[in-house]
Order: sequence, then structure tokens, then C-alpha cells
Amino acid sequence: DTQMTQSPSTLSASVGDRVTISCRASQSISAWLAWYQQKPGKAPKLLIYRTSRLESGVPSRFSGSGSGTEFTLTISSLQPDDFATYYCQQYNDYYSFGQGTKLEIK
Amino acid sequence: QVQLQESGPGLVKPSQTLSLTCSVSGGSISSGSYYWSWIRQPAGKGLEWIGRIYTRGSTNYNPSLKSRLTISIDKSKDQLSLNLRSVTAADTAVYYCARDDGAGFDFWGQGTLVTVSS
Repeated sequence: DTQMTQSPSTLSASVGDRVTISCRASQSISAWLAWYQQKPGKAPKLLIYRTSRLESGVPSRFSGSGSGTEFTLTISSLQPDDFATYYCQQYNDYYSFGQGTKLEIK
Repeated sequence: QVQLQESGPGLVKPSQTLSLTCSVSGGSISSGSYYWSWIRQPAGKGLEWIGRIYTRGSTNYNPSLKSRLTISIDKSKDQLSLNLRSVTAADTAVYYCARDDGAGFDFWGQGTLVTVSS
């Protein structure tokens, strides 16, 4: 099975900052990677699929890149609504999630 | 707009069977080519994929849960079901159902908390 590892586990940033979250797969997953945003008490929300494709309605400040085993989620200019926990998820070999990155207000 | 809604007991005794239902509305569960999954999240922890069922009925399970797990689909009711046998406290979590259109989980239920306790 494919293990997903995110870094960092926690990230402190300010409104307007550019932030990057990394996700590494234990084996190649090609481009079969998605990113989700989760707020407390809510279900995760799909942001990006197939590494870099923005889900409908998701702001363009979110972007994704990578291939194979190394992937990144970038938020170009943090907004107050972006403080949440982010998960990467592979869907090349059934499914597995990273452990999450909590994005906190500095 | 597709909507998913989980339902079932919020409290299950150890060694018993956890049974949940996910009702799909805004579209037929049997239309299109989708995988319908169960995912869980213990309090304060990450997401764990439990298993999935294809629109046409084939299933795939997380190997760590496979021996205790059955996922089924009732097309006449637009529902999918989860049965997890011989539960322990480690199975306490929020359980979600979600739809995979081949590009990630695009629709999720709101989640239901299941506590395993005597």
C-alpha cells in the first residue's frame, strides 16, 4: 500500500503570506493526487485533483504541482478563510491520506 | 447537487457490529460510474479510508479492516451501507460517506460520530 507523508504538520502564517505544503508518496502515484481542506466539525472539501486541477469554485490562489512521489500545495496569498487543516490523498492505489497539515494564524 | 447523509447508532458496544447507512439524494446512486466510499476520522486525528463499492457492486476494502467489513449498496433506496464487526474502542470515530468520480472525493456526507463503549 502507498503511504503519504505531509510536511510540516503545523504551519503558522499571516494573512497575505504565500505558503507551501509538501506531500510525499512512498511510491510513484503518477499524478493521481488530490488536496482537501477541512475545518473543525466539517467534512473535507476537495480543492485540487490530479495534482494541479482546481475543483470548480475553488479560488485561484490555490495551486498544486508535482509528479511521481513529490507534490506541493501552494496558497499564493493567505486569506482569513484559509486557516484550516489540509490533507493530501493518493488515488493511484485505492486511497490513502497524508496525516494533515494544520495551518494556523501567526 | 448530490447530497449524502449518514445515519445510524451513535453508540455501539464492544464486540458488536457497527452498522451505518448513507442516503444519496439529488441523483441516483446507480447512475454514472462512481465509487462510493466510507472514510473515518478519530477525534483529533487524520482520515482513514475504510472501503468502497462501485456503482455496479464490486467492492474494495482497506486491508487492515477487510476481515471485519462489509459494504453494500441498495439501488432501490439510493443507499450504501457499512457493517463493521467485532468493534473495539479503536473504531470510535466520525464516519463519512463520500463519492469518487475518478478525480477525488467530490461529495461528502456531514459525518456521523460513532462511539464504541459499554
